[in-house]
Amino acid sequence: GAGVSQSPSNKVTEKGKDVELRCDPISGHTALYWYRQRLGQGLEFLIYFQGNSAPDKSGLPSDRFSAERTGESVSTLTIQRTQQEDSAVYLCASSIAAQGAYEQYFGPGTRLTVT
Amino acid sequence: AQSVTQPDIHITVSEGASLELRCNYSYGATPYLFWYVQSPGQGLQLLLKYFSGDTLVQGIKGFEAEFKRSQSSFNLRKPSVHWSDAAEYFCAVGATHPDMRFGAGTRLTVKP
Repeated sequence: GAGVSQSPSNKVTEKGKDVELRCDPISGHTALYWYRQRLGQGLEFLIYFQGNSAPDKSGLPSDRFSAERTGESVSTLTIQRTQQEDSAVYLCASSIAAQGAYEQYFGPGTRLTVT
Repeated sequence: AQSVTQPDIHITVSEGASLELRCNYSYGATPYLFWYVQSPGQGLQLLLKYFSGDTLVQGIKGFEAEFKRSQSSFNLRKPSVHWSDAAEYFCAVGATHPDMRFGAGTRLTVKP
Protein backbone atom coordinates (compact mmCIF):
# COMPACT_ATOMS: atom_id res chain seq x y z
CA GLY A 1 0.00 0.00 0.00
CA ALA A 2 1.14 3.49 -0.83
CA GLY A 3 2.11 5.91 1.88
CA VAL A 4 1.61 9.64 1.97
CA SER A 5 3.03 11.31 -1.10
CA GLN A 6 3.89 14.94 -1.68
CA SER A 7 4.78 16.92 -4.75
CA PRO A 8 6.95 18.53 -5.76
CA SER A 9 9.81 17.23 -3.65
CA ASN A 10 11.71 20.45 -4.20
CA LYS A 11 10.50 23.88 -5.26
CA VAL A 12 12.60 26.96 -5.85
CA THR A 13 10.64 30.13 -6.44
CA GLU A 14 11.25 33.83 -6.61
CA LYS A 15 10.04 36.12 -3.89
CA GLY A 16 6.54 37.35 -4.64
CA LYS A 17 5.46 34.32 -6.67
CA ASP A 18 2.64 31.97 -5.65
CA VAL A 19 3.31 28.28 -5.01
CA GLU A 20 1.10 25.22 -4.64
CA LEU A 21 2.15 22.20 -2.65
CA ARG A 22 0.27 18.94 -3.02
CA CYS A 23 -0.37 16.09 -0.64
CA ASP A 24 -1.89 12.68 -1.37
CA PRO A 25 -2.86 10.98 1.91
CA ILE A 26 -3.16 7.28 2.58
CA SER A 27 -6.39 5.94 1.16
CA GLY A 28 -9.10 5.78 3.84
CA HIS A 29 -7.48 8.33 6.13
CA THR A 30 -10.03 10.99 6.94
CA ALA A 31 -7.63 13.36 8.68
CA LEU A 32 -4.87 15.30 6.96
CA TYR A 33 -2.33 17.66 8.51
CA TRP A 34 0.14 20.24 7.25
CA TYR A 35 3.30 21.16 9.15
CA ARG A 36 6.18 23.50 8.46
CA GLN A 37 9.74 22.62 9.45
CA ARG A 38 12.27 25.39 9.30
CA LEU A 39 15.94 24.46 9.09
CA GLY A 40 17.14 22.94 12.36
CA GLN A 41 13.78 23.32 14.05
CA GLY A 42 10.88 21.16 15.06
CA LEU A 43 7.55 20.88 13.35
CA GLU A 44 5.15 23.80 13.36
CA PHE A 45 1.50 22.81 13.02
CA LEU A 46 -0.29 24.73 10.28
CA ILE A 47 -3.72 23.24 9.67
CA TYR A 48 -5.65 20.00 9.70
CA PHE A 49 -8.59 18.63 7.78
CA GLN A 50 -11.28 16.26 8.96
CA GLY A 51 -12.72 15.16 5.65
CA ASN A 52 -12.72 18.30 3.53
CA SER A 53 -13.43 20.56 6.48
CA ALA A 54 -10.71 22.59 8.22
CA PRO A 55 -12.07 23.34 11.70
CA ASP A 56 -9.03 25.26 12.89
CA LYS A 57 -7.02 27.56 10.66
CA SER A 58 -5.34 29.47 13.46
CA GLY A 59 -1.98 27.81 12.82
CA LEU A 60 -1.61 29.33 9.37
CA PRO A 61 1.16 31.97 9.65
CA SER A 62 -0.58 34.67 7.62
CA ASP A 63 -3.40 35.27 5.19
CA ARG A 64 -0.96 34.47 2.39
CA PHE A 65 -1.36 30.81 3.36
CA SER A 66 -4.43 28.80 2.45
CA ALA A 67 -5.27 25.14 2.10
CA GLU A 68 -8.05 23.06 0.67
CA ARG A 69 -8.91 19.43 0.42
CA THR A 70 -11.04 17.57 -2.05
CA GLY A 71 -13.25 15.10 -0.21
CA GLU A 72 -11.03 12.75 1.76
CA SER A 73 -8.33 12.88 -0.83
CA VAL A 74 -5.78 15.31 -2.14
CA SER A 75 -4.93 18.51 -0.31
CA THR A 76 -3.24 21.62 -1.64
CA LEU A 77 -1.37 24.17 0.43
CA THR A 78 -1.06 27.49 -1.38
CA ILE A 79 1.34 30.24 -0.44
CA GLN A 80 0.72 33.55 -2.17
CA ARG A 81 3.32 36.26 -2.67
CA THR A 82 6.06 34.10 -1.17
CA GLN A 83 8.60 35.64 1.17
CA GLN A 84 12.07 34.42 2.07
CA GLU A 85 10.87 33.45 5.55
CA ASP A 86 8.54 30.93 3.89
CA SER A 87 11.59 28.83 2.99
CA ALA A 88 11.17 25.54 4.83
CA VAL A 89 10.20 21.92 4.41
CA TYR A 90 6.44 21.50 4.32
CA LEU A 91 5.32 18.15 5.66
CA CYS A 92 1.97 16.52 5.19
CA ALA A 93 0.61 13.74 7.36
CA SER A 94 -2.57 11.72 7.45
CA SER A 95 -4.32 9.59 10.07
CA ILE A 96 -7.41 7.47 10.40
CA ALA A 97 -9.20 10.26 12.23
CA ALA A 98 -8.44 13.71 13.57
CA GLN A 99 -7.79 12.76 17.15
CA GLY A 100 -4.58 12.90 19.09
CA ALA A 101 -4.61 9.19 19.83
CA TYR A 102 -4.10 8.22 16.23
CA GLU A 103 -0.69 7.85 14.68
CA GLN A 104 0.10 10.32 11.94
CA TYR A 105 1.83 9.00 8.83
CA PHE A 106 4.13 11.50 7.21
CA GLY A 107 5.06 12.18 3.63
CA PRO A 108 8.64 12.97 2.57
CA GLY A 109 7.96 16.70 2.47
CA THR A 110 8.35 19.51 -0.04
CA ARG A 111 11.46 21.62 0.35
CA LEU A 112 10.56 25.19 -0.58
CA THR A 113 13.28 27.70 -1.25
CA VAL A 114 12.32 31.32 -1.86
CA THR A 115 15.07 33.35 -3.51
CA ALA B 1 -2.01 23.66 26.01
CA GLN B 2 0.36 20.78 25.59
CA SER B 3 4.04 21.34 24.90
CA VAL B 4 7.17 19.26 24.51
CA THR B 5 10.78 19.94 25.46
CA GLN B 6 13.77 18.04 24.18
CA PRO B 7 16.68 19.43 26.20
CA ASP B 8 19.45 18.02 24.02
CA ILE B 9 19.86 19.58 20.59
CA HIS B 10 22.69 17.27 19.54
CA ILE B 11 24.05 14.05 20.99
CA THR B 12 27.05 12.03 19.85
CA VAL B 13 27.51 8.41 20.88
CA SER B 14 29.89 5.69 19.79
CA GLU B 15 28.56 2.76 17.83
CA GLY B 16 27.62 0.00 20.25
CA ALA B 17 27.11 2.37 23.16
CA SER B 18 23.78 2.88 24.87
CA LEU B 19 21.55 5.84 24.10
CA GLU B 20 19.01 7.89 26.00
CA LEU B 21 17.18 10.84 24.46
CA ARG B 22 15.23 13.02 26.84
CA CYS B 23 11.71 14.32 26.42
CA ASN B 24 9.61 16.29 28.86
CA TYR B 25 6.04 17.25 28.24
CA SER B 26 3.51 19.59 29.70
CA TYR B 27 -0.12 18.57 29.69
CA GLY B 28 -2.91 18.55 32.23
CA ALA B 29 -4.00 14.96 31.73
CA THR B 30 -2.35 11.79 30.57
CA PRO B 31 -1.23 12.57 27.06
CA TYR B 32 -0.62 10.41 24.06
CA LEU B 33 3.14 10.31 23.55
CA PHE B 34 5.12 9.51 20.45
CA TRP B 35 8.69 9.26 19.26
CA TYR B 36 9.41 9.80 15.58
CA VAL B 37 12.67 9.50 13.66
CA GLN B 38 13.60 11.55 10.62
CA SER B 39 16.47 10.45 8.41
CA PRO B 40 18.03 13.06 6.11
CA GLY B 41 15.67 14.00 3.29
CA GLN B 42 12.95 11.74 4.62
CA GLY B 43 9.63 12.20 6.30
CA LEU B 44 9.01 11.18 9.89
CA GLN B 45 8.65 7.55 10.85
CA LEU B 46 6.96 6.45 14.04
CA LEU B 47 9.26 4.56 16.42
CA LEU B 48 6.80 3.97 19.24
CA LYS B 49 3.82 5.40 21.06
CA TYR B 50 2.29 5.41 24.53
CA PHE B 51 -1.42 5.69 25.19
CA SER B 52 -2.00 3.87 28.46
CA GLY B 53 -1.08 0.73 30.36
CA ASP B 54 2.47 -0.52 30.69
CA THR B 55 4.73 2.48 31.07
CA LEU B 56 7.62 0.78 29.24
CA VAL B 57 6.89 0.76 25.55
CA GLN B 58 8.75 -1.23 22.92
CA GLY B 59 9.14 0.12 19.43
CA ILE B 60 10.76 -0.67 16.14
CA LYS B 61 14.51 -0.89 15.48
CA GLY B 62 15.22 -1.95 19.07
CA PHE B 63 14.05 1.29 20.69
CA GLU B 64 12.06 1.56 23.89
CA ALA B 65 10.68 4.45 25.92
CA GLU B 66 9.47 4.80 29.47
CA PHE B 67 6.61 7.02 30.56
CA LYS B 68 7.18 8.56 33.98
CA ARG B 69 4.18 10.56 35.09
CA SER B 70 5.90 11.94 38.18
CA GLN B 71 8.66 13.43 36.03
CA SER B 72 6.48 14.30 33.02
CA SER B 73 9.02 12.48 30.93
CA PHE B 74 9.04 10.03 28.05
CA ASN B 75 12.70 9.24 27.40
CA LEU B 76 13.79 7.13 24.46
CA ARG B 77 16.43 4.45 24.94
CA LYS B 78 18.40 1.92 22.97
CA PRO B 79 20.91 -0.50 24.52
CA SER B 80 23.33 -0.56 21.59
CA VAL B 81 23.39 2.08 18.88
CA HIS B 82 24.07 1.25 15.25
CA TRP B 83 25.54 3.65 12.70
CA SER B 84 22.22 3.58 10.85
CA ASP B 85 20.53 5.16 13.87
CA ALA B 86 22.10 8.52 13.06
CA ALA B 87 19.11 10.78 12.43
CA GLU B 88 16.90 13.45 13.98
CA TYR B 89 14.55 12.28 16.72
CA PHE B 90 11.34 14.03 17.64
CA CYS B 91 9.17 13.57 20.67
CA ALA B 92 5.52 14.54 20.27
CA VAL B 93 2.48 14.84 22.48
CA GLY B 94 -1.09 14.50 21.34
CA ALA B 95 -4.37 14.95 23.05
CA THR B 96 -8.01 14.93 22.11
CA HIS B 97 -7.28 17.95 19.96
CA PRO B 98 -5.63 16.94 16.68
CA ASP B 99 -2.91 19.53 17.15
CA MET B 100 0.04 17.24 17.87
CA ARG B 101 2.91 19.21 19.38
CA PHE B 102 6.47 18.29 18.51
CA GLY B 103 9.67 18.99 20.33
CA ALA B 104 12.50 20.79 18.56
CA GLY B 105 14.28 17.51 17.93
CA THR B 106 17.55 15.88 18.96
CA ARG B 107 20.14 15.19 16.31
CA LEU B 108 22.01 11.94 16.90
CA THR B 109 25.50 11.42 15.53
CA VAL B 110 27.06 7.96 15.77
CA LYS B 111 30.84 7.69 15.90
CA PRO B 112 32.44 4.58 14.40
